[in-house]
Amino acid sequence: EIVLTQSPGTLSLSPGERATVSCRASQSVSSTYLGWYQQRPGQAPRLLIYGISTRATGIPDRFSGSGSGTDFTLTISRLEPEDFALYYCQQYGSPPLTFGGGTKVEIK
Amino acid sequence: EVQLVESGGGLVQPGGSLRLSCVGSGFTFSRYPMNWVRQAPGKGLEWVSYISSGGSTIYYADSVKGRFTISRDDAKNSLYLQMDSLRDEDTAVYHCARDRGYCSSGSCPTYWYFDLWGRGTLVTVSS
Repeated sequence: EIVLTQSPGTLSLSPGERATVSCRASQSVSSTYLGWYQQRPGQAPRLLIYGISTRATGIPDRFSGSGSGTDFTLTISRLEPEDFALYYCQQYGSPPLTFGGGTKVEIK
Repeated sequence: EVQLVESGGGLVQPGGSLRLSCVGSGFTFSRYPMNWVRQAPGKGLEWVSYISSGGSTIYYADSVKGRFTISRDDAKNSLYLQMDSLRDEDTAVYHCARDRGYCSSGSCPTYWYFDLWGRGTLVTVSS
């Protein structure tokens, strides 16, 4: 099973700042099978990115994904108030699919 | 509105059973593979089970294999999770999640990432 480790656990930033969330895999992720989700308090998770860097339908272009192999990054270029939430990475190249432990982006 | 709504959670004693339901609306439910994903209190997400469009292929996480049973009733746009022999560590919010794959023209791909989620239903296993 591939273990995904996200860092930092919590990111304290102000609106307008840039957020960078890291996701490191315990072994190489097959092909481009890495995605990211956002979860606001009390809401359902929402797909942000799949295939490492492809934005899901309706996701604004301030969200971007990058990386390869074992190291991946979600970047939010300029934080909007609605972006303060939990973020999870997911690998789906090797069964069982697994998620990272989450990164909370909170208002500083 | 395109949405998934779960129900059936509650408090149950260790060793007990519970049946979760998930109703989909606003889309052709039968054409999508579906999953259950859970989230223990203060923890991350854990995939639990998968059922293909049509129900012919089913997978489970090792942690629930032999205790949980996934099923679907496309006439009712519904997904189910029968949970037996429940343990303390099964305490979590259970989300149903739609796979991005879509059955069309005889092709039914599964992509293994999820483009629609429900808010979840809380299952608490405690004596």
